[in-house]
Amino acid sequence: DTAVSQTPKYLVTQMGNDKSIKCEQNLGHDTMYWYKQDSKKFLKIMFSYNNKELIINETVPNRFSPKSPDKAHLNLHINSLELGDSAVYFCASTPLAGVGGTGELFFGEGSRLTVL
Amino acid sequence: GEDVEQSLFLSVREGDSSVINCTYTDSSSTYLYWYKQEPGAGLQLLTYIFSNMDMKQDQRLTVLLNKKDKHLSLRIADTQTGDSAIYFCAVSNNDMRFGAGTRLTVKP
Repeated sequence: DTAVSQTPKYLVTQMGNDKSIKCEQNLGHDTMYWYKQDSKKFLKIMFSYNNKELIINETVPNRFSPKSPDKAHLNLHINSLELGDSAVYFCASTPLAGVGGTGELFFGEGSRLTVL
Repeated sequence: GEDVEQSLFLSVREGDSSVINCTYTDSSSTYLYWYKQEPGAGLQLLTYIFSNMDMKQDQRLTVLLNKKDKHLSLRIADTQTGDSAIYFCAVSNNDMRFGAGTRLTVKP
């Protein structure tokens, strides 16, 4: 029944490793996002996909590569992990304002990444 | 400065009213939102207001929008300990931009 689900919920890894976080939504939304929340709780948009196509790509290192195999899934792969990548990563989806919705974002529970 | 700004901390006593303020820069924002984040959880929409409205009331929540000053506020009446959380202001045009979040602490 979970609307937006992310896995894993916790991820602890060493610097230099490559890891992926997966996200799936069963709401039928066309647009999905990745947000990064740092230790001070500041929430920053990273990527946005609309129907499998990249529409927003903020200033994010190219070690971060999103992939959307279909409109219900948006995965985040991170290469060569660095200490500063430690954060909580939130996936979200929306039907978009004016397109059957108010633009409300539906968030997953977050994936806490710790890089040692 | 940031697109959306809010003060970081607010502390109130149980039963008092809480007012969380937010200012934003994008005057073309269509919808403006308040999200609540409890510890260890994702953000959940608390309420929203359409940009052509001045005020919206929903039970204990009152949202006020001053478009001229680009100021949004959230008032929580009769604040309870269960209201302790981080409250995020967000504005939406092409994408959603969030403030830094206001940590509300409610003391018994």
